[in-house]
Amino acid sequence: SAVISQKPSRDICQRGTSLTIQCQVDSQVTMMFWYRQQPGQSLTLIATANQGSEATYESGFVIDKFPISRPNLTFSTLTVSNMSPEDSSIYLCSVEREGPGGWDTQYFGPGTRLTVL
Amino acid sequence: SQQGEEDPQALSIQEGENATMNCSYKTSINNLQWYRQNSGRGLVHLILIRSNEREKHSGRLRVTLDTSKKSSSLLITASRAADTASYFCATAVSNDYKLSFGAGTTVTVRA
Repeated sequence: SAVISQKPSRDICQRGTSLTIQCQVDSQVTMMFWYRQQPGQSLTLIATANQGSEATYESGFVIDKFPISRPNLTFSTLTVSNMSPEDSSIYLCSVEREGPGGWDTQYFGPGTRLTVL
Repeated sequence: SQQGEEDPQALSIQEGENATMNCSYKTSINNLQWYRQNSGRGLVHLILIRSNEREKHSGRLRVTLDTSKKSSSLLITASRAADTASYFCATAVSNDYKLSFGAGTTVTVRA
């Protein structure tokens, strides 16, 4: 399995501000993923972050709103910019690692619960 | 977009009973993974089943996969109060590791 930590665990922010979420993994991984889970909903992939290259964003998500950094193989940040109440969600990072099911098991961090007022 | 659909949306059972939930998907997959989420926290990985596998077990969990019907099921046997959680299936369509999640099933185990 993988040990993944996220900071902050939760935050309450004002409309129009930005929040940067950190994701730290206990060992090197090639790809890291960022997901959003809106209240009462399932998870939606925001982007894939590879070290040394630009993040790849899914349809409906743009770099200006969700800039991502990946400075090394164990760390990534996601910034939620110019926030509105609609951005209130749980944001989760994940990595793929070898697990009981095989080399492509995907593990998730504990999530960051964001509330925008 | 979400590929998976899960049913039921919610399930309430008595402790000791079995819980079964189903996941259907639309396109061919590389693998399907089941997760548990307690009270809006992080996801806990339960089982990964590949497209060429039909059944896997892990403790009290049993997962089946029917690629002809594009469906999977998760069975929790002898449920416990600690099994109360939301359960999600997620499909990987190709080797790019992206997961597409179902809507989830909320399971409540009554003591």
